Amino acid sequence: GAVVSQHPSRVICKSGTSVKIECRSLDFQATTMFWYRQFPKQSLMLMATSNEGSKATYEQGVEKDKFLINHASLTLSTLTVTSAHPEDSSFYICSAIGGLAETQYFGPGTRLLVL
Amino acid sequence: KQEVTQIPAALSVPEGENLVLNCSFTDSAIYNLQWFRQDPGKGLTSLLLIQSSQREQTSGRLNASLDKSSGRSTLYIAASQPGDSATYLCAVRVQTGANNLFFGTGTRLTVIP
Repeated sequence: GAVVSQHPSRVICKSGTSVKIECRSLDFQATTMFWYRQFPKQSLMLMATSNEGSKATYEQGVEKDKFLINHASLTLSTLTVTSAHPEDSSFYICSAIGGLAETQYFGPGTRLLVL
Repeated sequence: KQEVTQIPAALSVPEGENLVLNCSFTDSAIYNLQWFRQDPGKGLTSLLLIQSSQREQTSGRLNASLDKSSGRSTLYIAASQPGDSATYLCAVRVQTGANNLFFGTGTRLTVIP
């Protein structure tokens, strides 16, 4: 079945540094990828939608200059958290739509801890 | 705006019991509905996807139903096992190929051996 991978799975960084998270669709082409954030015991909140070759569409309240998204190919999207702060600590999950049924497949998530 | 609600928020059952998880959504104009499973600290695993034209989907011990007109879906789990313990999320897509996937807050299921 379709697989979406994320790297790294966990990252700890100091406040003020930038962190890049990669999301790859391993056996299908994804014209659209999504980035979600999930705080403890809460559901997923969509941050942005990433279309290959074009600028990402951000949800209301998500700072596009802080969360840089690049969708360079049909199988890779990256999320860079710039100048990370402790309040950015969260579980970040990417997702991609693929296949005839337009099922949305999710990556395993990246846990970010900003000290 | 589409709102998705899941009841109950948490559920504990003894092993072997059959159970039903509920999902309701406010706007019946959906494209499809998907049920996911999330283990603690992990990503989402897709369980079942129901297109708006379908009434139900089955996979093993899982059966999901959809009543689009009333804005409801149920996930039925037969003969529950401790390995079924996880958070179950339902999500509705409101139009094809778009980013309009709205998640419920989930039901945390614990199956007691």
